[in-house]
Amino acid sequence: GENVGLHLPTLSVQEGDNSIINCAYSNSASDYFIWYKQESGKGPQFIIDIRSNMDKRQGQRVTVLLNKTVKHLSLQIAATQPGDSAVYFCAENQAAGNKLTFGGGTRVLVKP
Amino acid sequence: DAGITQSPRHKVTETGTPVTLRCHQTENHRYMYWYRQDPGHGLRLIHYSYGVKDTDKGEVSDGYSVSRSKTEDFLLTLESATSSQTSVYFCAIRREGRETQYFGPGTRLLVL
Repeated sequence: GENVGLHLPTLSVQEGDNSIINCAYSNSASDYFIWYKQESGKGPQFIIDIRSNMDKRQGQRVTVLLNKTVKHLSLQIAATQPGDSAVYFCAENQAAGNKLTFGGGTRVLVKP
Repeated sequence: DAGITQSPRHKVTETGTPVTLRCHQTENHRYMYWYRQDPGHGLRLIHYSYGVKDTDKGEVSDGYSVSRSKTEDFLLTLESATSSQTSVYFCAIRREGRETQYFGPGTRLLVL
């Protein structure tokens, strides 16, 4: 896989355990945040989003938490499966802007 | 996948040659984006478009030009390719009134 590549932080998780992936965002004016998943050789895939007026949002097996005080975003994956092995990265959208700023990503490896 | 295709999917070219990458969408979205993805840098915006013949520069636009003569196609041109432009290029679309961007499958470009 050559997604973001060689310098990614890596999270190794046992199959069935929960995963927590963290992201520090840069702009306190950002009002919308997205988590993407990128599998080897593919484009980024939307997972879940959250607006700045919320602190938690749940999807299917995923939960995003937003802490605006410390500008921190996290993605929790419940009961991690082999198919969850990928690079995950966050993106932030500045209020009144139509451009996203992307984090560098975290590689998740699921051990059987 | 938001009906996005990119062509070619892989290309090898020589320094100094012109290269054009194509992004095609089938859902009539107004907003389209070109990114490059490199190890250690994540996704970086090259150019974007907010309508036919309406384009603007992103953070890494030097050496690249774009054109959008019809809604469904957004072309990225490297006028004279350099080895520093070896990268994976992703196109994305954004739906009207939404901030989320959806990505194509990518083009892997190698400049020798």
